[in-house]
Amino acid sequence: QKEVEQDPGPLSVPEGAIVSLNCTYSNSAFQYFMWYRQYSRKGPELLMYTYSSGNKEDGRFTAQVDKSSKYISLFIRDSQPSDSATYLCAMTHGSGNTGKLIFGQGTTLQVKP
Amino acid sequence: KAGVTQTPRYLIKTRGQQVTLSCSPISGHRSVSWYQQTPGQGLQFLFEYFSETQRNKGNFPGRFSGRQFSNSRSEMNVSTLELGDSALYLCASSPEGTSGRRGETQYFGPGTRLLVL
Repeated sequence: QKEVEQDPGPLSVPEGAIVSLNCTYSNSAFQYFMWYRQYSRKGPELLMYTYSSGNKEDGRFTAQVDKSSKYISLFIRDSQPSDSATYLCAMTHGSGNTGKLIFGQGTTLQVKP
Repeated sequence: KAGVTQTPRYLIKTRGQQVTLSCSPISGHRSVSWYQQTPGQGLQFLFEYFSETQRNKGNFPGRFSGRQFSNSRSEMNVSTLELGDSALYLCASSPEGTSGRRGETQYFGPGTRLLVL
């Protein structure tokens, strides 16, 4: 079993829809949680960074972390065709395990005009 | 600030050859991590360097090695290439140690796409 599980999709939604992307994890030591967006043939771009449990909002994006359930989510409001990309969740223990992010497989999102 | 840069962007090699990839981190970032991305395995951590020292290493064979220079630029080397080494190799830099910022946030370069024939 992988440490981080993410449904690869693809997920197809109409423009303007609310998108929900999720990851589950097994290691309770994870404390730092990130979401990256990766366009085809590009490197991942950091979207959201959250420490421990709670919500964080940035524009149309909201990240949620529920450590008790070992579950994290990314919500995209008013989705746009330009949001079509692969979304990767990533997490790490923090200190003592430097530089190593554990990634989910990524969810491919297509937003149709 | 300029982002993370990686050279070359594309590379074709044959089995048995070796390859060196280069990464220049964001100015002021001292931590550099390397990842391999394949369709089957996703993004997997190779190793991390900070102040010219390898601090962490993933589960890859010894054919994969790296180093970091005093200006924080980093290189990774793969010797005796195998077909399975075909992948996108990503470098990420982190602001750890600068102005109290944490090292968990990593910023990725565009990657080097390696094809082994």
